[in-house]
Amino acid sequence: AQTVTQSQPEMSVQEAETVTLSCTYDTSENNYYLFWYKQPPSRQMILVIRQEAYKQQNATENRFSVNFQKAAKSFSLKISDSQLGDTAMYFCAFMKHYDFGNEKLTFGTGTRLTIIP
Amino acid sequence: NAGVTQTPKFRILKIGQSMTLQCTQDMNHNYMYWYRQDPGMGLKLIYYSVGAGITDKGEVPNGYNVSRSTTEDFPLRLELAAPSQTSVYFCASSYGVGGRQPQHFGDGTRLSIL
Repeated sequence: AQTVTQSQPEMSVQEAETVTLSCTYDTSENNYYLFWYKQPPSRQMILVIRQEAYKQQNATENRFSVNFQKAAKSFSLKISDSQLGDTAMYFCAFMKHYDFGNEKLTFGTGTRLTIIP
Repeated sequence: NAGVTQTPKFRILKIGQSMTLQCTQDMNHNYMYWYRQDPGMGLKLIYYSVGAGITDKGEVPNGYNVSRSTTEDFPLRLELAAPSQTSVYFCASSYGVGGRQPQHFGDGTRLSIL
């Protein structure tokens, strides 16, 4: 079974600064996907970024980037030039590589991020 | 674009009552999921479906039932509500193909059992 650990329950940062959220995971799989989801107060779960484990290049999406360390089983999210709208819960999630009928996400417990004006 | 629609948004039940949480998606996705999110925790998978007529248990299925008679709809049934089922419930859908397409989530249903 896979486990996902987010060791930072809460973080805060000044607007326009850079912040890094940590995530580690445990799996015996070699091919898998990792995700960061954002959950603002509206409760909607929004996909922020996705990383495929067989790709060495770190994924980036505008101000969001990841540091994927496969050997260390680490998957951190960096938010640059943070904005007030980034205030939300952030969840790290794991999915095994394609296996019919097995498209299941395993979530961490989340990090509550507050951007301070 | 509607995406994934969940109803109701809020509900209070008494212990022992039953109810159905509705979920419908208009993206023609094969895969659908039900999660629950307890306070301060991540989402845990209750049931999922890979297509009409096919359902399977997730991590925490006890106390719940599902059906998938159409591609669009995936209702979640609570037969005998218990306080431990107080949670926020999320429905999600995806096209499938192993993580290359993201899961799309509904806005959630906040359910309280008193």
